[in-house]
Amino acid sequence: GAGVSQSPSNKVTEKGKDVELRCDPISGHTALYWYRQSLGQGLEFLIYFQGNSAPDKSGLPSDRFSAERTGGSVSTLTIQRTQQEDSAVYLCASSLDGAGVLSPYNEQFFGPGTRLTVL
Amino acid sequence: ELKVEQNPLFLSMQEGKNYTIYCNYSTTSDRLYWYRQDPGKSLESLFVLLSNGAVKQEGRLMASLDTKARLSTLHITAAVHDLSATYFCAVDKSGNTPLVFGKGTRLSVIA
Repeated sequence: GAGVSQSPSNKVTEKGKDVELRCDPISGHTALYWYRQSLGQGLEFLIYFQGNSAPDKSGLPSDRFSAERTGGSVSTLTIQRTQQEDSAVYLCASSLDGAGVLSPYNEQFFGPGTRLTVL
Repeated sequence: ELKVEQNPLFLSMQEGKNYTIYCNYSTTSDRLYWYRQDPGKSLESLFVLLSNGAVKQEGRLMASLDTKARLSTLHITAAVHDLSATYFCAVDKSGNTPLVFGKGTRLSVIA
């Protein structure tokens, strides 16, 4: 594909429900990142994948949040028992190589985001 | 802990004027990025700066990096309405690290 894609674009859910957000990175990009953008909070890092493994999960706000990546491509971010404070835009980005070995710029390309609203 | 501060957070400027957005970061970083975000849209990469003294220009935007001062600037020349957006700077270190973002500068260019 031409760029990073995410689905759904919008998700409205009730408090306490589980949600799954999907990210398709740019083909050939080995590094994948999840960020969250909230009003008044700016952009915050959630989790990073290199291939299928997640060397850095330090940004996940609670154990209700988990993510996986399969086949070195698609990633799913799961939020269990959603709370109203989870409402935000969840952005996914990918880069050629997170370690900066293949490209010193490690430029991250962002998807359009999923706007999550928890009622 | 790596922290990034941008200022101003809000900027209203007249068409044709020049202005500069500042980005300070707290610890040594290897890469400095500038992104643009239009309302309801995702982030578009503008510049990636690697080394001290690096300067990049695209149209009316010019970004520079001073690693000794831990400062990057985004200079806007002769602003036009199409430049209205939120501009983010972000930094990271080489290796497997995520981007740390500033809070963004919301720019409005008015006639």
